[in-house]
Amino acid sequence: DAKTTQPNSMESNEEEPVHLPCNHSTISGTDYIHWYRQLPSQGPEYVIHGLTSNVNNRMASLAIAEDRKSSTLILHRATLRDAAVYYCILKAIFGNEKLTFGTGTRLTIIP
Amino acid sequence: DGGITQSPKYLFRKEGQNVTLSCEQNLNHDAMYWYRQDPGQGLRLIYYSQIVNDFQKGDIAEGYSVSREKKESFPLTVTSAQKNPTAFYLCASKGQGVRQPQHFGDGTRLSIL
Repeated sequence: DAKTTQPNSMESNEEEPVHLPCNHSTISGTDYIHWYRQLPSQGPEYVIHGLTSNVNNRMASLAIAEDRKSSTLILHRATLRDAAVYYCILKAIFGNEKLTFGTGTRLTIIP
Repeated sequence: DGGITQSPKYLFRKEGQNVTLSCEQNLNHDAMYWYRQDPGQGLRLIYYSQIVNDFQKGDIAEGYSVSREKKESFPLTVTSAQKNPTAFYLCASKGQGVRQPQHFGDGTRLSIL
């Protein structure tokens, strides 16, 4: 699987938008971009995924660059419950179903 | 409610002992996975199973064994051959289709006495 690069940590104020970046310059045309988050002492939780177009769901939005070499997870209004480690993962359409987790971005929300 | 149940939440092992971690899902998912997480690190795949009675090694299978006799269950045995078993173990399952996400349990924290 192609590799992703994320900042180790970020901080944001409560009730403000958060933009979490991810670089994936070696992405292939058949790789989906997945985002998961992990709260302390819990298993990861699916957030969102996309292929080429921007995506929205109840948790977040995913903005994908036109060349697909980077993407940004957007939390529109951060709450204290959004404090977690966020993982950006590339998942090939074909092949086995495993996810390759990096070290992610630790998001701290400031009250 | 549908979901994945891992038990126990905390487990202690004496050196030289095998221990088995339980993972049960009622989501009717075909695929199940076991990951290991060390402090400050991402998850690493131990074993996965895409169908009953079949499973494949992941990236760090040495010292571990699994079985998949039922669709709902995918137990992981940490054997005495695993020299550094202290870690957070996570089980996941996934429905059919490339767009389906993996659903994770809340993990089992294994420690050596």
